[in-house]
Amino acid sequence: EVQLVESGGGLVQPGRSLKLSCVASGFTFSNYGMNWIRQAPGKGLEWVAYISSGSSYIYYAETVKGRFTISRDNAKNTLYLQMTSLRSEDTALYYCARDWSFDYWGQGVMVTVSS
Amino acid sequence: DVVLTQTPSILSATIGQSVSISCRSSQSLLDSDGNTYLYWFLQRPGQSPQRLIYLVSNLGSGVPNRFSGSGSGTDFTLKISGVEAEDLGVYYCMQATHAPLTFGSGTKLEIK
Repeated sequence: EVQLVESGGGLVQPGRSLKLSCVASGFTFSNYGMNWIRQAPGKGLEWVAYISSGSSYIYYAETVKGRFTISRDNAKNTLYLQMTSLRSEDTALYYCARDWSFDYWGQGVMVTVSS
Repeated sequence: DVVLTQTPSILSATIGQSVSISCRSSQSLLDSDGNTYLYWFLQRPGQSPQRLIYLVSNLGSGVPNRFSGSGSGTDFTLKISGVEAEDLGVYYCMQATHAPLTFGSGTKLEIK
């Protein structure tokens, strides 16, 4: 059974940093690209970043470019999102999702940016 | 960025009724590789989004066949043939042809 489990969220002050993780199981993680998507409270979905299976291709939304870094450790079956210079508008539920197919999503992890 | 306009924003249906949701794109979603990267998702209350349809009209694994997708270019439709109670939630279209990936604003399906 494919599972994606996010962690690392919490309450953080504006301007600070936070690192999210997404642990994958039930499939060969190193064969798939991965995405981060977020959803602000009561709002719609926003794609955040993508990383290819071997980390050769990385793309970001303009809203996070230069502040967020997507990475992965295929030996640990784990996807990461390093978030720096956090703003109140980054407050959201962050999901990881598999590849361009978006066939599997995690349950999400909440990030709240507030003083 | 590609703008996806979903209509209606709210849809109220009775059990067994057939309904359609429209997703119109500000640009053609036909990719140079011949594929059209248009997806449909359902987000039930309190749950993660679930993929229903990929590449315009392909049914996701385990998705009931009362769901169907159609369209081409800039106009796409999700149809539910016989709404069931478990279909309530918010439906989103998404395009992955043009960077950045973008989502429609969502259609909330309510059961009368």
